[in-house]
Amino acid sequence: DIVMTQTPLSLSVTPGQPASISCKSSQSLLHSDGKTYLYWYLQKPGQSPQLLIYEVSNRFSGVPDRFSGSGSGTDFTLKISRVEAEDVGVYYCLETIQYTFGQGTQLEIK
Amino acid sequence: QVQLQESGPGLVNPSETLSLTCTVSGGSLSSDYWSWIRQPPGKGLEWIGYIRYSGSTNYRPSLKSRVTISLDTSKNQVSLRLSSVTAADTAVYYCARGVRAWGQGTLVTVSS
Repeated sequence: DIVMTQTPLSLSVTPGQPASISCKSSQSLLHSDGKTYLYWYLQKPGQSPQLLIYEVSNRFSGVPDRFSGSGSGTDFTLKISRVEAEDVGVYYCLETIQYTFGQGTQLEIK
Repeated sequence: QVQLQESGPGLVNPSETLSLTCTVSGGSLSSDYWSWIRQPPGKGLEWIGYIRYSGSTNYRPSLKSRVTISLDTSKNQVSLRLSSVTAADTAVYYCARGVRAWGQGTLVTVSS
C-alpha cells in the first residue's frame, strides 16, 4: 500500500511570510503515461476540501498564484509565497494510483 | 459550473445499510468519473471509491466487500451504498467529480 507522509503536521505562520508543506510517498507516483498524479487540497474550517494544485504543479482554476507545487517521484512540496489570513485550514496531498491522502497539515496564522 | 449535492439519512442503525445520493447539476455524468470520500469527525480524508460513466468501479480494498457505487443517468445522480455499518463508519460523506470538485458533504452517524 502507498503511504503518504506530510510534514509538518501543523504550521503557524505570520501573514506575509512564506510557508512550505512536504508530502512524501512510499513509492514513486510516476505513472506509465509519464504523468505524476499528485494533488493538493485546502480544507477551510467548516468547508469541503478545495483543489489547489493538480498533477504536482498545475494551479487549479481560480487559485491564487501565491500557491505553487513542485516535486517528482516520491517527494513533493506545496509552497505559499506570502501567507494570508484566508489560507487558514488543513492542507492535504492526494495520490491517485491507490487514492491515498496524506494525514493533513493544519496551518494557522500567528 | 458543475455542482454536487449529497443527500440521505443522517442516522443509520448499526448492521444496516447506509445509502446516499449525490445529485449532479450543471453537467453530465458522462463528463468525468464520480467519487465518494469520507471524513470521520475530527479526522482526515479517506477515499471510498469511484465509478466511471461506463459503469466500471474502483473501491478501497478495505471497504470493497461492503461498498456499491452506481449511476442513475436518468436522474443525473451517483449513489453510495455501504452495508453492515458500525460506529466506525460515522463520517461526513462527500461526493466528487473526479478529484476536482466536491460537494458540501453530509454527516452520517451510525448509532442505535
